[in-house]
Amino acid sequence: QKEVEQNSGPLSVPEGAIASLNCTYSDRGSQSFFWYRQYSGKSPELIMFIYSNGDKEDGRFTAQLNKASQYVSLLIRDSQPSDSATYLCAVKGDILTGGGNKLTFGTGTQLKVEL
Amino acid sequence: DVKVTQSSRYLVKRTGEKVFLECVQDMDHENMFWYRQDPGLGLRLIYFSYDVKMKEKGDIPEGYSVSREKKERFSLILESASTNQTSMYLCASSMGQKIHQPQHFGDGTRLSIL
Repeated sequence: QKEVEQNSGPLSVPEGAIASLNCTYSDRGSQSFFWYRQYSGKSPELIMFIYSNGDKEDGRFTAQLNKASQYVSLLIRDSQPSDSATYLCAVKGDILTGGGNKLTFGTGTQLKVEL
Repeated sequence: DVKVTQSSRYLVKRTGEKVFLECVQDMDHENMFWYRQDPGLGLRLIYFSYDVKMKEKGDIPEGYSVSREKKERFSLILESASTNQTSMYLCASSMGQKIHQPQHFGDGTRLSIL
């Protein structure tokens, strides 16, 4: 069973701080990694994705990938109350093993940004 | 922008009824997916389709079937609804076999089976 693990939280950070969200995955053949944000009662919306080792920045968000450690993270700089949501990590497998069309989701980390 | 539209935001049905959930996407995506989301269990894949009339079972297909007669439309069918199928149902679509293509979600249908 291919797994994606996230700490469920809640992770509480003060406004303006850096929030660090972490995700580990079990399938070493995984190719792409996605972060989704989900507000309560709403559907997941894509924040960003990464597929190469290292960092990828988009505005206040930075995704970090370490394939050797099977670890992906999302950093949110200058956290705002509007960032309070559940963040889902999703992993796309290897096309050659039939996993290329599907995403495996973690159960999400709840982030609370406090005033 | 990708638009994935689910036919109902809220739906209440009775045990034993046959229930249809509809999903339409407007981006000519090859792949379409149905998930259910329950507290503490996350998103679980029910069925997916990578082409018209093609379907594959996901992780929890029991009690469900799907239909994809047109590329833009993917229907989830609960053959005989049961109370344990009360859940949030999410439809998603993605482009082809390209490995870095994300899935885009509809707004979800909150289904209650009484």
